[in-house]
Amino acid sequence: GAVVSQHPSRVICKSGTSVKIECRSLDFQATTMFWYRQFPKQSLMLMATSNEGSKATYEQGVEKDKFLINHASLTLSTLTVTSAHPEDSSFYICSAELRNTEAFFGQGTRLTVV
Amino acid sequence: DAKTTQPPSMDCAEGRAANLPCNHSTISGNEYVYWYRQIHSQGPQYIIHGLKNNETNEMASLIITEDRKSSTLILPHATLRDTAVYYCIVRVTYSSASKIIFGSGTRLSIRP
Repeated sequence: GAVVSQHPSRVICKSGTSVKIECRSLDFQATTMFWYRQFPKQSLMLMATSNEGSKATYEQGVEKDKFLINHASLTLSTLTVTSAHPEDSSFYICSAELRNTEAFFGQGTRLTVV
Repeated sequence: DAKTTQPPSMDCAEGRAANLPCNHSTISGNEYVYWYRQIHSQGPQYIIHGLKNNETNEMASLIITEDRKSSTLILPHATLRDTAVYYCIVRVTYSSASKIIFGSGTRLSIRP
């Protein structure tokens, strides 16, 4: 199946700093990418939907100024957690899809804010 | 909100068939049924999807009832590596506006 790669897989940062997470579709051009976060023992929660060349659409309750999403090309989307705090510590997962196919997920990024 | 209902947990003996049910009584005519699974601390893995006909691939079979209000994912010969949380999702395909909303899923445990 198609491959979606996230980088980094783990990151530890200090409170107040910003962290960027990359999501790449390696063997296809993704028209849409999704970003999720997942707390321990919970399901994935959709944060935003990102279409190439246009602004991301954020889910209710997700701060767009805190979670900056850039989908600059058909193979790359980035999520930047700005001014991170310990409560932002979570497992962040992206998925990518080409229209008319199923979505494929990255391996996830575990963010720890200390 | 998720449009599907799944049992929170199930277990199955290794080598036996694992049958995971899913209710989606409000499914629309243009919505597909998708199954994903998530092994601990990894991203979800696509398993199979279907509209109204039964589907089979190398991983599993998907049985959709005639009224499309429920479906069953079948893992024919479960192994310990099939231990995961399984998510049943309904969504419209062929639409850039279609979201993938996860419910709470079924935690499947395979016992030796």
